[in-house]
Amino acid sequence: AQSVTQLGSHVSVSEGALVLLRCNYSSSVPPYLFWYVQYPNQGLQLLLKYTSAATLVKGINGFEAEFKKSETSFHLTKPSAHMSDAAEYFCAVSRAGGYQKVTFGIGTKLQVIP
Amino acid sequence: EPEVTQTPSHQVTQMGQEVILRCVPISNHLYFYWYRQILGQKVEFLVSFYNNEISEKSEIFDDQFSVERPDGSNFTLKIRSTKLEDSAMYFCASSEALRGGFGANVLTFGAGSRLTVL
Repeated sequence: AQSVTQLGSHVSVSEGALVLLRCNYSSSVPPYLFWYVQYPNQGLQLLLKYTSAATLVKGINGFEAEFKKSETSFHLTKPSAHMSDAAEYFCAVSRAGGYQKVTFGIGTKLQVIP
Repeated sequence: EPEVTQTPSHQVTQMGQEVILRCVPISNHLYFYWYRQILGQKVEFLVSFYNNEISEKSEIFDDQFSVERPDGSNFTLKIRSTKLEDSAMYFCASSEALRGGFGANVLTFGAGSRLTVL
């Protein structure tokens, strides 16, 4: 079975500060990993995905994540937070290859303080 | 940009009543899903659907739940006799065909239907 653990259900950062949202995964087979974002009253949108090519993955809106097998981590970062980044962020995992169930974490609400 | 649409956005029902949540997936997508999120908890997988049948379901998806694709566009989740613990946000998602069946399964989600059972 696969799972992800998101550390911190709420994270607050100042505008312009580094954003770091933590995700650790558990998987008995090579995983595919995802970050999704949910803005208020909208569905979850894909930010980025890791599919075993490059370990550093760049996504939309300036976000990136690094796959670290030794740490079983896939943390999401952005160098400088904008007010528009305030949203809920979900880490997710699936088995590699084809149509696999995607398993989500509990989500982290990001607050950006002006 | 194509999107997944869900109705209703919010439904309030009495315990024991039947509820149908509706979804219109993206037209060229082949796989369809229902997930739910109870307030403050994980986004949980309920069921996946392909080629007019359930391809996988979770332990949560018991006999009270059913899914249907009644026509070429709608995908519905029915809860036969709602319980208080069914109160949650229900998300529909769809994904497109993967070339050769390989690659990451990227889901496109609807905005969700909030179900409140009283």
